[in-house]
Amino acid sequence: DARVTQTPRHKVTEMGQEVTMRCQPILGHNTVFWYRQTMMQGLELLAYFRNRAPLDDSGMPKDRFSAEMPDATLATLKIQPSEPRDSAVYFCASGFLGPGNQPQHFGDGTRLSIL
Amino acid sequence: ELKVEQNPLFLSMQEGKNYTIYCNYSTTSDRLYWYRQDPGKSLESLFVLLSNGAVKQEGRLMASLDTKARLSTLHITAAVHDLSATYFCAVDGGAQKLVFGQGTRLTINP
Repeated sequence: DARVTQTPRHKVTEMGQEVTMRCQPILGHNTVFWYRQTMMQGLELLAYFRNRAPLDDSGMPKDRFSAEMPDATLATLKIQPSEPRDSAVYFCASGFLGPGNQPQHFGDGTRLSIL
Repeated sequence: ELKVEQNPLFLSMQEGKNYTIYCNYSTTSDRLYWYRQDPGKSLESLFVLLSNGAVKQEGRLMASLDTKARLSTLHITAAVHDLSATYFCAVDGGAQKLVFGQGTRLTINP
């Protein structure tokens, strides 16, 4: 089965460090999403891309977060500088906007802890 | 702004019983998704509901959509322990931009 692949699966780092999370979407999907999951806020959409173009990043703190899609097989989410409140599970999902309305497929997530 | 509310948020039930999880949303949409999440795991797609009156069934789970009432239900029939998980509904706010409910943590006891 085709899968969304995220790396790393776990990341522990100190406050102020740069964090980069990577995502390989399912081949043929034209939309990539970044979500953050916390106990308090639930699942929040941070940003998403269609055909590699950023469509909406209104859910992301602009001063420290950035999302890019340098090619069709790689999406990245960076936090610089990281803060303890960024600790969460970050999910990448991919989907195809077109006939059929297939669901988004989620990766296994990156569990991030900022000390 | 699209808001999605699930209830109950926590549900503990016995094996063999039936129950329903409700998902209400605030603005018009004709696409609704149900996902399952096991602890520490990813989200797994269960159902895609695309039109008013849509009903989908898989095993002991059945989902329905009433777009006029802005309501979806996930019905569990004769629950078994393996169905213990957190269930999320998500509503498409346009161009696949999903807004998720808070999730319903379901625990099924022997």
